[in-house]
Amino acid sequence: AQKVTQAQTEISVVEKEDVTLDCVYETRDTTYYLFWYKQPPSGELVFLIRRNSFDEQNEISGRYSWNFQKSTSSFNFTITASQVVDSAVYFCALRFNNAGNMLTFGGGTRLMVKP
Amino acid sequence: EAQVTQNPRYLITVTGKKLTVTCSQNMNHEYMSWYRQDPGLGLRQIYYSMNVEVTDKGDVPEGYKVSRKEKRNFPLILESPSPNQTSLYFCASWDPPYNEQFFGPGTRLTVL
Repeated sequence: AQKVTQAQTEISVVEKEDVTLDCVYETRDTTYYLFWYKQPPSGELVFLIRRNSFDEQNEISGRYSWNFQKSTSSFNFTITASQVVDSAVYFCALRFNNAGNMLTFGGGTRLMVKP
Repeated sequence: EAQVTQNPRYLITVTGKKLTVTCSQNMNHEYMSWYRQDPGLGLRQIYYSMNVEVTDKGDVPEGYKVSRKEKRNFPLILESPSPNQTSLYFCASWDPPYNEQFFGPGTRLTVL
């Protein structure tokens, strides 16, 4: 069975601090896909990034960066110089090539950025 | 504009009163799915559909029904809602296997 664990249920930082959100996954498949979604207070789910299991390159997009390490089954997300608008719940998710193409979500990390 | 729409956005109902939450996508995606979101549990898949007339159970299907008669629509049916189905529901669509899922805006359901 596949599983995604986001051990940090809630993180609070002060604006301009860097913050890393942890994501650890379990799967027996060799081909799988990892995703991060953001859920702001308004409630919608916003896609941030996807990674496939064959691509371990780290990625940077503005203040956001992702560190994918197959050796430790982790796909961590760092926000540099956090801003109040980054306050949201962040979900890590895993999909493998099963019949249903099902997406398994972690429990989410609530990030609060204080001014 | 590419989007997934859900209706209603908010619904308060009573135990046992049948209800339907509609979901529609305009991206011609093959796959559609319903999730429920509960605090601390993330999103859990209820049902999914791989194409018209092809549906299957997700992780938490009990108490729910779905149908996929047209590619764009995937309604969620609660024939006899109970209070433990009070939750935030999301519909999603995508093209497998690599692409991200597009989510609807969510439907907040309260069953009294």
